[in-house]
Amino acid sequence: QVQLVGSGGGVVQPGRSLRLSCEASGFGFRNYAMHWVRQAPGKGLEWVAGLSYDGNHKYYADSVKGRFTISRDNSNDTLYLQIKSLRTEDTAVYYCARDRFDTTSYCDYWGQGTLVTVSS
Amino acid sequence: QSALTQPPSASGSPGQSVTISCTGTSSNVGGYNYVSWYQHHPGKAPKLIIYEVSKRPSGVPDRFSGSKSGNAASLTVSGLHVEDEANYFCSSYAGTNTLVFGTGTKLTVV
Repeated sequence: QVQLVGSGGGVVQPGRSLRLSCEASGFGFRNYAMHWVRQAPGKGLEWVAGLSYDGNHKYYADSVKGRFTISRDNSNDTLYLQIKSLRTEDTAVYYCARDRFDTTSYCDYWGQGTLVTVSS
Repeated sequence: QSALTQPPSASGSPGQSVTISCTGTSSNVGGYNYVSWYQHHPGKAPKLIIYEVSKRPSGVPDRFSGSKSGNAASLTVSGLHVEDEANYFCSSYAGTNTLVFGTGTKLTVV
């Protein structure tokens, strides 16, 4: 079955960088667009970034443009999110999610999330 | 990219029905039929329960139904079960390959 396993979260100081990973299994990873969605403590879900099936087209929420980079390795079925210049407001659970299609439509499967805490 | 608006909370007794609203704009909910709903139990992965406004994935009980009118979508849970107690989020395609999510509704089954 479809599985998405996120990793790479932790406690990080403001201004530092972090790379999150999401290992996919149980489906043809290279055929699907992928997304990162986050949930800050006590808040709703916020779409952060999306990536086409082939990695050639990247899309970002205005709130993270310039600091977040989404990428993928289709040979290793892994999605990444590089975060630079971390801010306290980046504290959240970060979910990777599969899109139903090869381009953006809606998320049909989600990982369990990885917690990023930005604190000095 | 403002979040879609949902009521913070909703409640019902077992066997009752409850409807959760999700209000957006013509740039998201009103402009596309890619409205989806998710059930989210704390600490777990969100689960897709409605996609493309009113379709249910395999395995989701038909007690869950979705609809849309103009810029607002709705999720109705009929015949509430105790295990339906969870957070529910709507989502919509918002153009230019972006998504927007709702503010979330905590459903309590009392």
